[in-house]
Amino acid sequence: DTAVSQTPKYLVTQMGNDKSIKCEQNLGHDTMYWYKQDSKKFLKIMFSYNNKELIINETVPNRFSPKSPDKAHLNLHINSLELGDSAVYFCASSLLAAASYEQYFGPGTRLTVT
Amino acid sequence: GQQVMQIPQYQHVQEGEDFTTYCNSSTTLSNIQWYKQRPGGHPVFLIQLVKSGEVKKQKRLTFQFGEAKKNSSLHITATQTTDVGTYFCAGTGFQKLVFGTGTRLLVSP
Repeated sequence: DTAVSQTPKYLVTQMGNDKSIKCEQNLGHDTMYWYKQDSKKFLKIMFSYNNKELIINETVPNRFSPKSPDKAHLNLHINSLELGDSAVYFCASSLLAAASYEQYFGPGTRLTVT
Repeated sequence: GQQVMQIPQYQHVQEGEDFTTYCNSSTTLSNIQWYKQRPGGHPVFLIQLVKSGEVKKQKRLTFQFGEAKKNSSLHITATQTTDVGTYFCAGTGFQKLVFGTGTRLLVSP
């Protein structure tokens, strides 16, 4: 069984479109994250949810809206996609919210905006 | 904001050679984690260091946390082709994990 899964794995879309990425974890963890990895491999946290509550919201354009229907799911909706949004988006989870807990990453979603 | 830099950005070694990546933080860290990302893959947790001056070993990998808890290193002895990937340190501060810039390791047989 996959611990952290994401769909879709690849997403190619045009500028201006709206798209969503879904994430699910079956580890029973309380905390979930979205990270963005750019072409230079820099990995930056975007959002963190603990038990469905938003606890970290980095400086991310408000075109990005995360939603956590329950603590096993964290989805990311992106409005009005721009070229600069092209990146790999990773979902991750950890047992609890404290940063000292190891994080388990999903396989990533490669988003290409043309 | 908190920054975590790694050097080198990239290293290409022959199989059997040693490899070291260094991680430096602009602020004192509570603890530091190391992750490995294979090409086309996702980051996978390797280890966490908590104490000042701590040294931990995992087979051919040796991890060290600096005395001032602002730097760390990962040393691989006698690299193998399976060590290929990008190695990230990640420091904890302000309730979040801040990932380093990463070191990409290429190993030629």
